[in-house]
Amino acid sequence: GQQVMQIPQYQHVQEGEDFTTYCNSSTTLSNIQWYKQRPGGHPVFLIQLVKSGEVKKQKRLTFQFGEAKKNSSLHITATQTTDVGTYFCAGRPTYSSASKIIFGSGTRLSIRP
Amino acid sequence: EAEVAQSPRYKITEKSQAVAFWCDPISGHATLYWYRQILGQGPELLVQFQDESVVDDSQLPKDRFSAERLKGVDSTLKIQPAELGDSAMYLCASSRQGGFYEQYFGPGTRLTVT
Repeated sequence: GQQVMQIPQYQHVQEGEDFTTYCNSSTTLSNIQWYKQRPGGHPVFLIQLVKSGEVKKQKRLTFQFGEAKKNSSLHITATQTTDVGTYFCAGRPTYSSASKIIFGSGTRLSIRP
Repeated sequence: EAEVAQSPRYKITEKSQAVAFWCDPISGHATLYWYRQILGQGPELLVQFQDESVVDDSQLPKDRFSAERLKGVDSTLKIQPAELGDSAMYLCASSRQGGFYEQYFGPGTRLTVT
């Protein structure tokens, strides 16, 4: 079936280091969304990418959608303790008739102060 | 700021009992989702409503789970009978219209089946 995989599963970094999580789909996606879930919290929407090769930035966060619209990445520059949480990508397969969004397995980010 | 409401926040039930969760989406949001999230994993879609109609319930264990959104506003997810493996966080989310709009999640219901 359709799958959205994320790597790495966990990332532990020193505060100030960069962080990147990668999202790969087995099928072409119409769009990709990114969510952040703080420990004990619920997912919160960060951004949506729609166009092939699209790059968007939010302060220290850079989001990219691959040319083939099958992969995406989230890069955080100079991590801060407020960045702790699990980052999920979620994509809508192009051939999905129900506009169904499939969530990735997430990358949990922890930070050493 | 409008929020998705869910209740209860926590539920402990014995296996074979019935349990129900309620969700009130953001006003005006046509699409409502129920997800199950097991610790350490991503949300898994159980059912998606467009207004009052189910548009996807392919991952819903229909022998024990049911969901309804009778008036196209709030929704109820029911499990009967509950099994030990149903212990998880049940998240409700809503969006303006389908998969091209951001989803707003509620705080979730943490279910523990003993």
